[in-house]
Amino acid sequence: AQSVSQHNHHVILSEAASLELGCNYSYGGTVNLFWYVQYPGQHLQLLLKYFSGDPLVKGIKGFEAEFIKSKFSFNLRKPSVQWSDTAEYFCAVRNSGTYKYIFGTGTRLKVLA
Amino acid sequence: EAGVVQSPRYKIIEKKQPVAFWCNPISGHNTLYWYLQNLGQGPELLIRYENEEAVDDSQLPKDRFSAERLKGVDSTLKIQPAELGDSAVYLCASSSAGTTEAFFGQGTRLTVV
Repeated sequence: AQSVSQHNHHVILSEAASLELGCNYSYGGTVNLFWYVQYPGQHLQLLLKYFSGDPLVKGIKGFEAEFIKSKFSFNLRKPSVQWSDTAEYFCAVRNSGTYKYIFGTGTRLKVLA
Repeated sequence: EAGVVQSPRYKIIEKKQPVAFWCNPISGHNTLYWYLQNLGQGPELLIRYENEEAVDDSQLPKDRFSAERLKGVDSTLKIQPAELGDSAVYLCASSSAGTTEAFFGQGTRLTVV
């Protein structure tokens, strides 16, 4: 069965530190990949997505993610985090051509001012 | 443009009582999803609609959960009777063939006491 693993459940960083959140998925076919963010009290919002082409994708607010097909990974990165990045981050996978999303368990990021 | 609207935002009920959640998707989105999010977990699909048709309800506990999407627009998710373990956030999302990601509502937080 298809699954998504997020290895870091809680991450605490100081402002200006670099961020990398891991995401691995299990599925042998073609997938679309997503990172969603949920700020406190708000709804899930799309950060970035990968469908095809350049495996390094850039999203909003300075976030980027790299798709490494051989490792079944789609790690999220940001060179310098801000206090406002405090949120929960979810990686999601969707079978290409379908509309079924599988989400990871989420990573709760706290950025200390 | 309005996003996905859910109501109520919060609901507290006693066990064995019925409860219903309502979702209004983004205008023109023919795909509608209901997700369940337990504390510390990622969203898990309950049911997916394409217009009026439930095309994936394999994860919906049909003994107590039901859903409908009359006229292919708004949707209602019902639980009857509710159990303590149903306490969670119920998320609605929508997408269309012309969009590449799902858009989420703010969710309904259900507490069963």
